[in-house]
Amino acid sequence: EIVMTQSPATLSVSPGERATLSCRASQSVSSNLAWYQQKPGQAPRLLIYGASTRATGIPARFSGSGSGTEFTLTISSLQSEDFAVYYCQQYNNWPALTFGGGTKVEIK
Amino acid sequence: EVQLVQSGAEVKKPGESLKISCKGSGYSFTSYWIGWVRQMPGKGLEWMGIIYPGDSDTRYSPSFQGQVTISADKSISTAYLQWSSLKASDTAMYYCVRLGSSGWFDYWGQGTLVTVSS
Repeated sequence: EIVMTQSPATLSVSPGERATLSCRASQSVSSNLAWYQQKPGQAPRLLIYGASTRATGIPARFSGSGSGTEFTLTISSLQSEDFAVYYCQQYNNWPALTFGGGTKVEIK
Repeated sequence: EVQLVQSGAEVKKPGESLKISCKGSGYSFTSYWIGWVRQMPGKGLEWMGIIYPGDSDTRYSPSFQGQVTISADKSISTAYLQWSSLKASDTAMYYCVRLGSSGWFDYWGQGTLVTVSS
């Protein structure tokens, strides 16, 4: 099983600042990585797939980068609605799909 | 518009059986894999398994193999997740998801909360 490790567990950021979230895979997943956002009481929603392609309707302030084992989700200027938990997920080892443990982005 | 609409919250006792549902609309139900994701209280996301409604090909996460059964009825565009004997540790939110072309989850249902308590 490919293990996905996210860091940090919690990130404290002020509105308007940049947030950088990391996701590491225990072995190469190429660019087969997605990012999701989950707000309290809501279902997750897809932000990024293919490591860097924004899903439909996702604002340009969200960007993904990386390949192999190291990935980054960057939120360029945090808005109030961006405070949430973010998960990465690999699908390189389909159908053995795995999620990271999540990073909570909270208001500083 | 693609929609996945799940059945309502359930409260069950240990040892009881349960089947929850997920109805897809706004797309060709038989052409996309449908999966289930568990989220235990205050915890992260866990992929449970997927089914291809077109031919009922089903794959399970090793963690959930033998613990649940995933099925689908393509005539009514509905996928199911069922347990034969619930445990307290099955208490969680369960999300139905559609898989995009390569394995990401592009659409999510609203979730079904399952509570198992004596």
